[in-house]
Amino acid sequence: GIQVEQSPPDLILQEGANSTLRCNFSDSVNNLQWFHQNPWGQLINLFYIPSGTKQNGRLSATTVATERYSLLYISSSQTTDSGVYFCAVAGGANNLFFGTGTRLTVIP
Amino acid sequence: GAVVSQHPSRVICKSGTSVKIECRSLDFQATTMFWYRQFPKQSLMLMATSNEGSKATYEQGVEKDKFLINHASLTLSTLTVTSAHPEDSSFYICSARVSDQPQHFGDGTRLSIL
Repeated sequence: GIQVEQSPPDLILQEGANSTLRCNFSDSVNNLQWFHQNPWGQLINLFYIPSGTKQNGRLSATTVATERYSLLYISSSQTTDSGVYFCAVAGGANNLFFGTGTRLTVIP
Repeated sequence: GAVVSQHPSRVICKSGTSVKIECRSLDFQATTMFWYRQFPKQSLMLMATSNEGSKATYEQGVEKDKFLINHASLTLSTLTVTSAHPEDSSFYICSARVSDQPQHFGDGTRLSIL
């Protein structure tokens, strides 16, 4: 399967700060999604972004498929942004491979 | 739209019990459903993929006789953990999709085997 690595593994931010999370993947993909897993385990779908740039409020994402990476930007972070952020990719078989995750803690 | 309901959300049972988890797509017909497993502080690992009316495809290392998957309709898939033991305790999450569209995830089931 496709190898997916995320960095950093852990991140602690002061409320109001900005951050960039990175996702590197080992092969060509036709699907890439970013998720936020909240403390109750729910996976919230943030972006479906196999290529290009998208924005949704304080969040935006960019995928450069040719260079096999994606970035998730969080601006003006809030305590409710805390949780684990996963990048997941799919290749030809369309099965999603999840990354190692970034655990974000936003402190007031 | 694209809501996936997973039930139950939490199960606590004795060792040796079989546990069934349901995954339903509420407002769409899912051509494919997926089952994932997540251990504490780890990522999600795909266990199996199921298409309606056909046998599930299991990932390497997942025992098909231990984790029975039934996908009887386009809106329902079930995962049965047979004769569960403490090492089967985990967070199980299903997802569903239509054709090549993005997967939509249920809220997960936290299984604890005593």
